[in-house]
Amino acid sequence: DAGITQSPRYKITETGRQVTLMCHQTWSHSYMFWYRQDLGHGLRLIYYSAAADITDKGEVPDGYVVSRSKTENFPLTLESATRSQTSVYFCASRAIDRGGADTQYFGPGTRLTVL
Amino acid sequence: QKEVEQDPGPLSVPEGAIVSLNCTYSNSAFQYFMWYRQYSRKGPELLMYTYSSGNKEDGRFTAQVDKSSKYISLFIRDSQPSDSATYLCAMSDSSYKLIFGSGTRLLVRP
Repeated sequence: DAGITQSPRYKITETGRQVTLMCHQTWSHSYMFWYRQDLGHGLRLIYYSAAADITDKGEVPDGYVVSRSKTENFPLTLESATRSQTSVYFCASRAIDRGGADTQYFGPGTRLTVL
Repeated sequence: QKEVEQDPGPLSVPEGAIVSLNCTYSNSAFQYFMWYRQYSRKGPELLMYTYSSGNKEDGRFTAQVDKSSKYISLFIRDSQPSDSATYLCAMSDSSYKLIFGSGTRLLVRP
């Protein structure tokens, strides 16, 4: 199926463990993004990537690491998970749609709980 | 103060009502304004996209931007139970980085 997939969809882990969230897109869009969504904060940008091997920090990057060796994949790693990283994580890619809108297409999200 | 403010709701209306959703912002550099709809346990999807000031209509949805007041609105006419979702406003300057509001939860009662 075309689009953005995220895995796992649900994850429970413990404080201090390393966790990697996967994101895969089938379109070959250049830009990809990672957001976290928390009650009262909306979506906040963690990291983004303009192309393979080009990444940059967003609004809330601390405690996260990203890589992008291939255009279609953009994994997000929590190096040592903390309870404050309990959240819903969304991956997105950017494209110009048929109407000319510069839009972002979102994956279904990963619900992460850190105990 | 957040760059983008949005009332979290919830907003509960009867089927057929006109719904008005709003966001205010502080950054005068914002030029691109969007509304995303997010169903429960799903990712957001783009609903409306507007550049600069003015109105844009798409079916039952109308987006308005008033840059002088730093205020954007989304109107939904003849609201349906299937419109029940969280509506997120988003905006950006000339870059691709979006700043989102916290979302307004809408419930349309049959």
